[in-house]
Amino acid sequence: AQTVTQSQPEMSVQEAETVTLSCTYDTSESDYYLFWYKQPPSRQMILVIRQEAYKQQNATENRFSVNFQKAAKSFSLKISDSQRGDAAMYFCAYRTTSGSRLTFGEGTQLTVNP
Amino acid sequence: GAVVSQHPSWVICKSGTSVKIECRSLDFQATTMFWYRQFPKQSLMLMATSNEGSKATYEQGVEKDKFLINHASLTLSTLTVTSAHPEDSSFYICSARDHRLAKNIQYFGAGTRLSVL
Repeated sequence: AQTVTQSQPEMSVQEAETVTLSCTYDTSESDYYLFWYKQPPSRQMILVIRQEAYKQQNATENRFSVNFQKAAKSFSLKISDSQRGDAAMYFCAYRTTSGSRLTFGEGTQLTVNP
Repeated sequence: GAVVSQHPSWVICKSGTSVKIECRSLDFQATTMFWYRQFPKQSLMLMATSNEGSKATYEQGVEKDKFLINHASLTLSTLTVTSAHPEDSSFYICSARDHRLAKNIQYFGAGTRLSVL
């Protein structure tokens, strides 16, 4: 069974600084999708970034980028120039290419300090 | 981006009553929708996968007679919590999978906070 692990329950960062959130996963599949979702205090889940395992290039969305290390089964999220609006719970998630269900990690609560 | 509407956002009910939560995909057809439960400061727990025109697939440990799911159209799935009790109080979130093109992304509703008195 696939598992997703986020080893950092809480992280904090100063405004305008950079922070990296860690995620590791376990799977026997060779092709799959990885996601980072953000859940702000409103509790609305928002897709931050998506990575397809067969693509070697790391995904980037504006200030958000990932470091995808397939052999190490690691998928970290880097947030550059952190802003107050980035404060949220961040969930790493996994899905097989053929399946439909997402497997979520435990989440990392990010605090952005002024 | 794709929008999923979930209603109501907050409901308070008396113990023993039933509550229905609606999940709609507003600008795409969703053959598959998902229902999650989330406790405070915890991750999302998948309850069931809702498939249009067929019976839902429930995760282990989820009572299908307690949590009734209906996916009668390509844009609407409902979750009915039957004979609700205080232990059913939680945050319920739906999501819908957008199969268009190569996106295949799940979009989430804003969630429903259920409080059972």
